[in-house]
Parts: sequence; structure tokens; C-alpha cells
Amino acid sequence: DAGITQSPRHKVTETGTPVTLRCHQTENHRYMYWYRQDPGHGLRLIHYSYGVKDTDKGEVSDGYSVSRSKTEDFLLTLESATSSQTSVYFCAISETGARSDTQYFGPGTRLTVL
Amino acid sequence: AQSVTQLGSHVSVSEGALVLLRCNYSSSVPPYLFWYVQYPNQGLQLLLKYTTGATLVKGINGFEAEFKKSETSFHLTKPSAHMSDAAEYFCAVRTNQAGTALIFGKGTTLSVSS
Repeated sequence: DAGITQSPRHKVTETGTPVTLRCHQTENHRYMYWYRQDPGHGLRLIHYSYGVKDTDKGEVSDGYSVSRSKTEDFLLTLESATSSQTSVYFCAISETGARSDTQYFGPGTRLTVL
Repeated sequence: AQSVTQLGSHVSVSEGALVLLRCNYSSSVPPYLFWYVQYPNQGLQLLLKYTTGATLVKGINGFEAEFKKSETSFHLTKPSAHMSDAAEYFCAVRTNQAGTALIFGKGTTLSVSS
């Protein structure tokens, strides 16, 4: 298994509070991704990173920001959580970002916004 | 742009029966296709992938998929279902944008009865 951990694994928070989710990898892969999984939607890309301090938006980036100050850590922040952000969040890593390259997924974080 | 359609959100089979999960894709560039499996409360695990070369791809746990360009399909099959195959299955295509993130189908839940 690829060395990917996510923290916390479960979180319940209230509307309007800030939330930060952490993805940590031990593989030294260059590319990291944040996806959210919702019933009937599959997984959708929020943000991705192609190196330290290099990030860009995905399909559903509104309301989210990211940071990557070290190769191994990729943080996802909800500045002011809303109920529509209740979801399961997955981090993924990819060694080179080539289209043939496999993406490996972390165990996920289940976030509930009340 | 790329997209994926999984036909059937839920498939039920008997143990020992053929498993067939359908996936059609749309891609303006040669597609790179993936099947992932997700067991309850876990992350996604790669089953198999097609990049180039042989169109019949073999994966883990006895699964295989055939890339058919003329039909824009990448259906997943297994000759004989096992109870442990019960899970959710996602077909995905690798983009040539957004850090080559994956575009996922909505998923198919496979149930296996004894």
C-alpha cells in the first residue's frame, strides 16, 4: 500500500467554522490531489498540487483553499464550512503526473457540517 | 474534454456467476482508463488500467477489462463472482488537463448473493 495518511479520519463541525484536513505521504511523489466523494457523483477534483507551493483548481474548488509547503504534506482548508461541504474527502498521489501514472488514494476523511 | 458513464448504479449477481460492469467513455485524446474498487469505509484501490498496447487488461482478484475503441467502452468482467467482490466500482479516465486528474463515473455497487 502507498504510504498515504489523512487526518482527521472523522470530523463533525458547525456551519461557519474553519476546517483543515491534512494529507501526508511518505512516497516523495510530486503530484497530490484532493477529491470529494458524494453519493451519485463519484469523485470530483477539488484542487491539486504539482510541487511545493504549486497548486491549481479543480472542478469543484469554490469554498476551498489548499497549501503545500513540503513535498509530503497537502492541506485542504474550508475557510467557512457549509452544509453542502458535508462529504468524504480523499487525497491521492501520483509520482510523475503522467497520464499513464497510477493515482494512489488515502483512506479518506468523513466530514459532517451541521 | 473527457467523461465517463457507468451503466447501472447497482448490479446484483449470484456467487459463481459472471460479473459484468459497464463503462463507456468520451475522450478527445487517446484515453487512459482505470477501474478502482472501494470496499465499505475504505479508500479506492486500483484494480487495473489501460494505457497503451494490449487491449485486454488483467487486474487483481481475477478481474479483467477490454478496451474497445470502436465502442468507446472499457467494461469490467470476472468469470465467477465471490462474496468478497461485493463493493463499489468506479471507472475513470485520466485527463490531459488539471494535473492529469481522474474523471470518475458515478460508480456501480456490486452485490453478491449466496
